[in-house]
Amino acid sequence: ETGVTQTPRHLVMGMTNKKSLKCEQHLGHNAMYWYKQSAKKPLELMFVYNFKEQTENNSVPSRFSPECPNSSHLFLHLHTLQPEDSALYLCASSPLAIGRDTQYFGPGTRLTVL
Amino acid sequence: EDKVVQSPLSLVVHEGDTVTLNCSYEVTNFRSLLWYKQEKKAPTFLFMLTSSGIEKKSGRLSSILDKKELFSILNITATQTGDSAIYLCAVGNSGNTPLVFGKGTRLSVIA
Repeated sequence: ETGVTQTPRHLVMGMTNKKSLKCEQHLGHNAMYWYKQSAKKPLELMFVYNFKEQTENNSVPSRFSPECPNSSHLFLHLHTLQPEDSALYLCASSPLAIGRDTQYFGPGTRLTVL
Repeated sequence: EDKVVQSPLSLVVHEGDTVTLNCSYEVTNFRSLLWYKQEKKAPTFLFMLTSSGIEKKSGRLSSILDKKELFSILNITATQTGDSAIYLCAVGNSGNTPLVFGKGTRLSVIA
């Protein structure tokens, strides 16, 4: 058990739908991350939150909208996605959002955009 | 810009073989190098290396860091089919930026 949970585990949506991905960590960490993992590509960092404040947005299109209501919960709101957004979306957490901290990953949400 | 390069990108071996996975990096103010194993979904943490020349070991897996030559290797001895996974290398610095990941090495162990 990783201590980081994600729901749903699988999601199929049309390009006009609006959906949200949820991540929750039970590790007492203060930093949370969203990553995108596409086939044959490295992990792409999308967003970083440190103490509920967004500290990094790696040029992510506005159709992805993160929300961090507290240090334990992180959401990724999705709207008008494109088929190329189909990927595994991974959430991670660490004690702090600094380079030396080990990140612990959730199981991911496999997203398919039709 | 910080960079992590892993090689090979994919590898197929037979059970019982020994494999060596490579990770080279360029990072400002290096602090740590981490190895993860990713099977079906979430990457799981294997090792964190911060000092050169000190081997970290866990069962059949071991790893070592060379801070002078800027690389690390992950060794797996007597491979088993359960070792089949993507092995990710990530590097952290002393600043406030998060880990930088490599593309990973996809290892397939066949019976």
